[in-house]
Amino acid sequence: GENVEQHPSTLSVQEGDSAVIKCTYSDSASNYFPWYKQELGKGPQLIIDIRSNVGEKKDQRIAVTLNKTAKHFSLHITETQPEDSAVYFCAASKGNNRLAFGKGNQVVVIP
Amino acid sequence: KAGVTQTPRYLIKTRGQQVTLSCSPISGHRSVSWYQQTPGQGLQFLFEYFSETQRNKGNFPGRFSGRQFSNSRSEMNVSTLELGDSALYLCASSFDSLSFYGYTFGSGTRLTVV
Repeated sequence: GENVEQHPSTLSVQEGDSAVIKCTYSDSASNYFPWYKQELGKGPQLIIDIRSNVGEKKDQRIAVTLNKTAKHFSLHITETQPEDSAVYFCAASKGNNRLAFGKGNQVVVIP
Repeated sequence: KAGVTQTPRYLIKTRGQQVTLSCSPISGHRSVSWYQQTPGQGLQFLFEYFSETQRNKGNFPGRFSGRQFSNSRSEMNVSTLELGDSALYLCASSFDSLSFYGYTFGSGTRLTVV
């Protein structure tokens, strides 16, 4: 089945700096790549997603890039704020309503 | 509109017992999926239900089962509980299983097996 790897496991950034999380996937049939943010005591929340026919997508301070040839995709958070501190998960799907998740990144924004 | 509602939020059970968890999806969502989240294994797919039928199944033993009702509400059951079943169980709903636009997750049920 699909295998999604996520690096680094923990990321500390100064407030106002950028954070980048990278993921790789194994199944070239995957065509949908969402990113989820999980805060303590809550379920994961979808923050941005991208489909395989698009190379980049941006939503305010968050952007995602996809390189299908290399089978990797990245989450970029600019101008980080303390409320960005959370665990971020990348995931991949072949469109069958089933997601394979990475193990998650703990992002810590230092005020 | 109301989000995905999972009940109960917390459960403590003894080894060998069984447990039933409940999930009410977002109104209009017909697909409900279940995931197990643990620190070691992360988020692992259990199964997906659509129109009362199991459409996808993950690699979990038969002790894990589920069902979906005509109003799209879903339940999952774990029988003969083991210590390793301690986890956060997340339910997620989506609108259409043929055009996947991602899930909306509930806050989960934290199951502790002692």
